[in-house]
Amino acid sequence: EAQVTQNPRYLITVTGKKLTVTCSQNMNHEYMSWYRQDPGLGLRQIYYSMNVEVTDKGDVPEGYKVSRKEKRNFPLILESPSPNQTSLYFCASSFQGPLDTEAFFGQGTRLTVV
Amino acid sequence: AQSVTQLDSQVPVFEEAPVELRCNYSSSVSVYLFWYVQYPNQGLQLLLKYLSGSTLVKGINGFEAEFNKSQTSFHLRKPSVHISDTAEYFCAVKNTGGFKTIFGAGTRLFVKA
Repeated sequence: EAQVTQNPRYLITVTGKKLTVTCSQNMNHEYMSWYRQDPGLGLRQIYYSMNVEVTDKGDVPEGYKVSRKEKRNFPLILESPSPNQTSLYFCASSFQGPLDTEAFFGQGTRLTVV
Repeated sequence: AQSVTQLDSQVPVFEEAPVELRCNYSSSVSVYLFWYVQYPNQGLQLLLKYLSGSTLVKGINGFEAEFNKSQTSFHLRKPSVHISDTAEYFCAVKNTGGFKTIFGAGTRLFVKA
C-alpha cells in the first residue's frame, strides 16, 4: 500500500529536549516536505527536499532542521523545542511529473512542548 | 508568488442540503489547483484537482469544483451533503513550473442531522 508514515503520532516533551519526528514514504517520490498546522493558519511549510541531499527552507524554518540521506526518509529535528512549536505536524511527498502533482500526506504528529 | 484565500472559516449545513466552499487564489503565473479533505485525527487526502482542460472537475465522494480563471476562483460544491462529509477542507495552489504547494487556512464543514 502506497503511504507516508510518520512517527510518533503523539508526543509530549519538555522545553529544550531534542527530538526527532520520522517520516518515510514507499512511493519513490523525489519531493518531500514538512508542514505545521495551526488553527486559522492552514498548513505552513517548514522545510522541503527535492531529492537526496537537497533541502531548503520553507516559510517557517526557524527552530527546525531536516536531513535527506535516503530518498524514502525525511526526518524533522527539533534541537531545542520551545512551547511555540506546539503544533500538528505533517510530512508529505509527491512526484514532480506533469500530471502527478498532488501531495500524499502522513497521518500527522501532534507535538506538545511544555 | 501565489496565495490562497478561503472565504469561510466555518460552514454549517443540514444533511442533504447543497454546499459551496469558496476559494480564491492569486498568482502571476499558471497554476494547478487542488482541494484536500482532512477528517478528524487524520492526514489530508486529495479530493480533486484541476491541471488543465475542462474547467469543471469531479472528485471523490460526489464533490466537484469549477475553475474560473477570470475570477481566479476554484469553489468546491456538493449537491447533497452527508453527516460523513463533516471535515476540514483545504484549497491549495501550485505553480505549474514549481514544487511548492500553498494552502489556504481551511474551511470547517459541519453537517447537522
